[in-house]
Amino acid sequence: ELKVEQNPLFLSMQEGKNYTIYCNYSTTSDRLYWYRQDPGKSLESLFVLLSNGAVKQEGRLMASLDTKARLSTLHITAAVHDLSATYFCAVAQTNFGNEKLTFGTGTRLTIIP
Amino acid sequence: GAVVSQHPSWVICKSGTSVKIECRSLDFQATTMFWYRQFPKQSLMLMATSNEGSKATYEQGVEKDKFLINHASLTLSTLTVTSAHPEDSSFYICSVSRLLTQYFGPGTRLLVL
Repeated sequence: ELKVEQNPLFLSMQEGKNYTIYCNYSTTSDRLYWYRQDPGKSLESLFVLLSNGAVKQEGRLMASLDTKARLSTLHITAAVHDLSATYFCAVAQTNFGNEKLTFGTGTRLTIIP
Repeated sequence: GAVVSQHPSWVICKSGTSVKIECRSLDFQATTMFWYRQFPKQSLMLMATSNEGSKATYEQGVEKDKFLINHASLTLSTLTVTSAHPEDSSFYICSVSRLLTQYFGPGTRLLVL
């Protein structure tokens, strides 16, 4: 059974600082996703990582994937308040043509002015 | 991307009643849709994969007779929570998969009294 763990679960950081969220998973996978969820809202797609060594960046967020270590990171650069949200990684597995996502525990990020 | 809608956005019902939630893919035909459940401050858990024209595939531990899924067209899947009880209160989110990314609906918040 695939297990996906995120670290940390809660993160409070000051504006302007850098930090990294880690996502570990237990079995091989086709793809890894990062999503953002604001309170009371659904999920917003941030990144999809398709191969070992993949790196994607959008604004102050950068995601990377190491399939050999079964590890993905989401790096936040010079955090600003509007990045406060819960971030989920999700690992994809494909069975008989259907994709199944297993979500990580989530990291609740709070940016303090 | 893909645009996914859900209806209703929230519902409050009495224990023992049945509730139907609709998930629509607005801008493309989705042969497969997914239903997730999210309890407060927890991650998303896949409940079932909905396939157009065939029976849904349920995850382990999800009662198929309690959570009825119908995917009658390429743009609509419905989830019916039968004989709802307070422990079914949750945030129900559907998604569609397009070009290696899952796009999520806005969610339906269910409160069973």
